[in-house]
Amino acid sequence: QKEVEQNSGPLSVPEGAIASLNCTYSDRGSQSFFWYRQYSGKSPELIMFIYSNGDKEDGRFTAQLNKASQYVSLLIRDSQPSDSATYLCAVNTGGRDDKIIFGKGTRLHILP
Amino acid sequence: DAGVIQSPRHEVTEMGQEVTLRCKPISGHDYLFWYRQTMMRGLELLIYFNNNVPIDDSGMPEDRFSAKMPNASFSTLKIQPSEPRDSAVYFCASRSGTGWFYAGNTIYFGEGSWLTVV
Repeated sequence: QKEVEQNSGPLSVPEGAIASLNCTYSDRGSQSFFWYRQYSGKSPELIMFIYSNGDKEDGRFTAQLNKASQYVSLLIRDSQPSDSATYLCAVNTGGRDDKIIFGKGTRLHILP
Repeated sequence: DAGVIQSPRHEVTEMGQEVTLRCKPISGHDYLFWYRQTMMRGLELLIYFNNNVPIDDSGMPEDRFSAKMPNASFSTLKIQPSEPRDSAVYFCASRSGTGWFYAGNTIYFGEGSWLTVV
């Protein structure tokens, strides 16, 4: 059973601090990795995408990938109350598979 | 451009009734996915189609669930008979192209169908 694991939280971070979200995956063949943000009562929306080892930065967001450790993380700098949401890690299931599977998500709460 | 359109947005039904959820993917998208989200199990992939053909239905929980895609612009997910444990948010999503290596091939989600079976 291919899995994506995340700490469910809630993770509470003071406004202006760095929020660090982590994810591990079981399928060594996975090639593409995604972070989605989901506000309560809304659908998931893509915020970051990474497929190479290392860091990828986009504004206040940095995704980090370590394929050897099967580990993906998301850093949010200068956290804002509007960042309070559930963050879903997703990976493709490897090989030529065209589907992606999701972790259960980490609830992030930014404290004003 | 219109996004993925789902209907109904909310449905409350009695146990044993048939439920049909509908989805219109983004025009031109080749792939359509049905996911189910609950607090306990998170976001689970039920089935996905490529060019209207079901590719993987291994996530469909049991024979009470069925999905069809008669054409490129319409798909249905049917539950018959429905049970209280089917209560969840059902998301339809679509994307274009092959391979995951480009941001343009991301999955776009509809707003979801909130199903309550009593």
